[in-house]
Amino acid sequence: EIVLTQSPGTLSLSPGERVTLSCRASQSISSSHLAWYQQHPAQAPRLLIYGASSRATGIPDRFSGSGSGTDFTLTISRLEPEDFAVYYCQQYGSSPLTFGGGTTVEIK
Amino acid sequence: EVQLLESGGGLVQPGGSLRLSCVASGFTFSTYAMSWVRQFPGRGLEWVSVISGSGGSTYYADSVKGRFTISRDPSKNTLSLQMNSLRAEDTAVYYCAKTPFTMTMQPYFDYWGQGTLVTVSS
Repeated sequence: EIVLTQSPGTLSLSPGERVTLSCRASQSISSSHLAWYQQHPAQAPRLLIYGASSRATGIPDRFSGSGSGTDFTLTISRLEPEDFAVYYCQQYGSSPLTFGGGTTVEIK
Repeated sequence: EVQLLESGGGLVQPGGSLRLSCVASGFTFSTYAMSWVRQFPGRGLEWVSVISGSGGSTYYADSVKGRFTISRDPSKNTLSLQMNSLRAEDTAVYYCAKTPFTMTMQPYFDYWGQGTLVTVSS
């Protein structure tokens, strides 16, 4: 089973700042089969990125994904108030699919 | 607009059973594989099961294999999860999730329902 480690656990930032979230895999993820989700309190996760770098439908271009192998990154170029949330990565290259533990982006 | 609406959660004693349902709308239900994903109280996410668009193929996480059964009814656009022999560690919010694939053992999820809480406790 591939273990995904997200860092840092929590980020305290201000609106307008740039943020980079990390997701590191315990082994290489085939075909860059990595997705990112955003979750607000008491809401369901929302797909942001799939295939490591493809934005899902309706996702603003301030969100971008990159990486390959074992190291992946989600970047938000300029934080908007609605971006303060928990972010999860998920790999779907190997069975069973697995999720990272999440990174909380909170308002400073 | 894709909508997924779960129901059936609640409080159940250890060893008991519960059946979750998810009514889907806004897309051609029988085209896409569907999954259940759960989120534990500590916020960790765990994939539970996936069923192909046709319903002919199903896969389960090892943690629920032999206890949970996923199914779908295309006439009602409904996904179900029959949960038997429930344990305290099954306590979680259960999400119905759509995949963008007809079938895969390892999908990602492009739409999620709002979830239904299952609490297993005596």
